[in-house]
Amino acid sequence: DTGVSQDPRHKITKRGQNVTFRCDPISEHNRLYWYRQTLGQGPEFLTYFQNEAQLEKSRLLSDRFSAERPKGSFSTLEIQRTEQGDSAMYLCASSEIMTGAEAFFGQGTRLTVV
Amino acid sequence: AQKITQTQPGMFVQEKEAVTLDCTYDTSDQSYGLFWYKQPSSGEMIFLIYQGSYDEQNATEGRYSLNFQKARKSANLVISASQLGDSAMYFCAMRPSIRHTGTASKLTFGTGTRLQVTL
Repeated sequence: DTGVSQDPRHKITKRGQNVTFRCDPISEHNRLYWYRQTLGQGPEFLTYFQNEAQLEKSRLLSDRFSAERPKGSFSTLEIQRTEQGDSAMYLCASSEIMTGAEAFFGQGTRLTVV
Repeated sequence: AQKITQTQPGMFVQEKEAVTLDCTYDTSDQSYGLFWYKQPSSGEMIFLIYQGSYDEQNATEGRYSLNFQKARKSANLVISASQLGDSAMYFCAMRPSIRHTGTASKLTFGTGTRLQVTL
């Protein structure tokens, strides 16, 4: 297993368009997290899954955002009707279930909305 | 709610010297984990070190050690013998346990400290 992978690495889109990002976690990890990181800030939590169940969503996750993990493996994050304020790095992480388990991060998808 | 505070936006250290990056946290949870991550300019988050709230000894991982003072709610990262490759953003993060299950909740990050190692 080569770690957490995210696709695409970069995405430039026009305002109003829909975008979808994919995350493939480490295979034995049942927790999968999405974070958003804007310039000069730390990552902010968006949502997380345990297997296929979405357990928590941040209030940052507006109605335009939806995330799925249909078979408890890969996950997708979709942003509908993108706005310039959505421009950020979207990071995916996976971990085992214990509190002390480190989260392994992917390299992120950098979204630019023009 | 959990909060992580990193008060040093930027730090400089000379190569081969030690440096301490500050982190304080606020939580009402009894069981939690504290993490430090490194983020180079390439963007990936690299795990460095972990400290559990019930661990009595400070964590160490190679040149990294975590100075955990529970009563003061601080979890400072100490990097010994700094190297040029240590230049990066460093983030402190906390993850509480979910009540009644003891399993991991989400990570809450600080705003980071940019470390620059000079010759």
